[in-house]
Amino acid sequence: DIVVTQTPLSLSVTPGQPASISCKSSQSLLDSDGRTYLSWFLQKPGQSPQLLIYEVSSRFSGVPDRFSGSGSGTDFTLKISRVEADDVGVYYCMQSLHYPRTFGQGTKVEVK
Amino acid sequence: EVQLVESGGGLVQPGGSLRLSCAASGFTFSNYHMNWLRQAPGKGLEWVSYISSDTSTTYYADSVKGRFTVSRDNAKNSLFLQMSSLRGEDTAVYYCAQSGGLGYWGQGTLVTVSS
Repeated sequence: DIVVTQTPLSLSVTPGQPASISCKSSQSLLDSDGRTYLSWFLQKPGQSPQLLIYEVSSRFSGVPDRFSGSGSGTDFTLKISRVEADDVGVYYCMQSLHYPRTFGQGTKVEVK
Repeated sequence: EVQLVESGGGLVQPGGSLRLSCAASGFTFSNYHMNWLRQAPGKGLEWVSYISSDTSTTYYADSVKGRFTVSRDNAKNSLFLQMSSLRGEDTAVYYCAQSGGLGYWGQGTLVTVSS
């Protein structure tokens, strides 16, 4: 199975400041079709997870452009350009190259 | 609007069985692969099972293989998870999610395995 590792596990950010979360996979997530299958999810308190970013850098429908994803191969980053109060929750990265789908441990983001 | 609504959760004794359902609407259900995932209390996300759009292919996490069975009824826009030989470690909120990329999730249904 592909192991996915996130850092940091928690983050406290001042509103309006940027935030960044790292995700590393145990093997390349680049598929033979040329696409790289790494996604980011946000689980707000008391809610179901919601997809933010797929294929490293494509924002899902309705996701604000303050969220951006980057990376390649085994190293990936989620960036929030200016954190807002509504961004609190746990962020997960997930590889969707192979089954079983595997997730990072989650990064809890708190807004000061 | 895509909607996924899980049901069927509850309290069950160790060794017991439960069948979860996921009712889909707002999209052509028969065109999409579907997944079940779960989240134990206070823990992270765990993928559980996958079924292809035409039911020809299924996958399971090692932790549930041989005990859980995924199925679907495309005529009724419904996804199911039959769970048997339940253990305490199966206690979790169970979510259904659309497609291989998990673009849409339901609100979840809580399964508690306890005597």
